[in-house]
Amino acid sequence: SQQGEEDPQALSIQEGENATMNCSYKTSINNLQWYRQNSGRGLVHLILIRSNEREKHSGRLRVTLDTSKKSSSLLITASRAADTASYFCATGVSNTGNQFYFGTGTSLTVIP
Amino acid sequence: KAGVTQTPRYLIKTRGQQVTLSCSPISGHRSVSWYQQTPGQGLQFLFEYFSETQRNKGNFPGRFSGRQFSNSRSEMNVSTLELGDSALYLCASSWGRGADTQYFGPGTRLTVL
Repeated sequence: SQQGEEDPQALSIQEGENATMNCSYKTSINNLQWYRQNSGRGLVHLILIRSNEREKHSGRLRVTLDTSKKSSSLLITASRAADTASYFCATGVSNTGNQFYFGTGTSLTVIP
Repeated sequence: KAGVTQTPRYLIKTRGQQVTLSCSPISGHRSVSWYQQTPGQGLQFLFEYFSETQRNKGNFPGRFSGRQFSNSRSEMNVSTLELGDSALYLCASSWGRGADTQYFGPGTRLTVL
């Protein structure tokens, strides 16, 4: 399977703490994206990092990419109850368009 | 701008029937991708359409097909439905300039009885 795997599968933290999720994948990629999904609804795009980038920031989010280890991490700082959701990484493998393989997801619960 | 819209939101069919799902992308977006989400298999890529042509395809049987119209709206069809086709079907649109940020619709929940 080309799907990536997120680790941990589930994470429970207190509001205000940081949350770190990891994603490992198997094939060479062009880019990697992180998405959030609330309770089986549509996915919300968080951040895109290209294969020649090592780190990107967006607000309270920090994403790193290590192509030599085929892994990425998503850090959410100062978490809020509203961050409770499932988080997915998606690896982009196509040179010509959008063909993304999603990981298994990390379920994050932020306790108020 | 309006977001990605999908119709219908919920659908119940019986085995052997066929179904057509519709997706309207964000205005100006030319790429539409389709994904199937199930508890067991997670999110799986079905196919991507760009300028009315299928540009990328995942590993799904031929019962799953799609098309895109000149206004970038896309339809996905599943023929001879099986129980295992019960899933949330998500479409995503993007500008289409190579691999770029995708914006997802709310999905169509298909139940096959």
